[in-house]
Amino acid sequence: DQQVKQNSPSLSVQEGRISILNCDYTNSMFDYFLWYKKYPAEGPTFLISISSIKDKNEDGRFTVFLNKSAKHLSLHIVPSQPGDSAVYFCAASSAGGTSYGKLTFGQGTILTVHP
Amino acid sequence: DAMVIQNPRYQVTQFGKPVTLSCSQTLNHNVMYWYQQKSSQAPKLLFHYYDKDFNNEADTPDNFQSRRPNTSFCFLDIRSPGLGDAAMYLCATSRTTSGRVNEQFFGPGTRLTVL
Repeated sequence: DQQVKQNSPSLSVQEGRISILNCDYTNSMFDYFLWYKKYPAEGPTFLISISSIKDKNEDGRFTVFLNKSAKHLSLHIVPSQPGDSAVYFCAASSAGGTSYGKLTFGQGTILTVHP
Repeated sequence: DAMVIQNPRYQVTQFGKPVTLSCSQTLNHNVMYWYQQKSSQAPKLLFHYYDKDFNNEADTPDNFQSRRPNTSFCFLDIRSPGLGDAAMYLCATSRTTSGRVNEQFFGPGTRLTVL
């Protein structure tokens, strides 16, 4: 039972255009969502996060949108740069209880930004 | 720089031969996690330590064990590796804050090959 899904295995975008990466979740207990970026031969690195009390969080070129009713979030990268080419993982967690911030990851989306 | 270090980066073992992967951190985080990631799949949490308290995921096979002798080090022991255990193993750390999910910091991973 996959609780976090990234249905697009890959995405190809021209430099300077917008990249939109999507993520769906099924567990209504999730109340905190994160995006990680992973380059080859490196571990995932934290990119941006959003709490369920918000519907948008912006950090420079990166914006995450959360639609709780649809259980859907998306990461927008504007403008896209070749250095953004990486695997992007969506992750979800619950801030309460004794989960200690356990993350449930999606399968990842490979983003390729062409010059 | 504060970081999460995993050794070795690549490990080859024989079917059934015990193997140990190591993780160390200079972040002084109280939580350490071990994930298994197979090709094109989501990282899957195996277990985590909250300080010295060990928390096993329900579906983690008994073949996988872990030790945390001190705050800085955590080990993953695979007692009898099978071909299906070939994967990337990721170590991560975080600092817990009550009622809040903090980002996890990942090491570069150890790629395990089972012959």
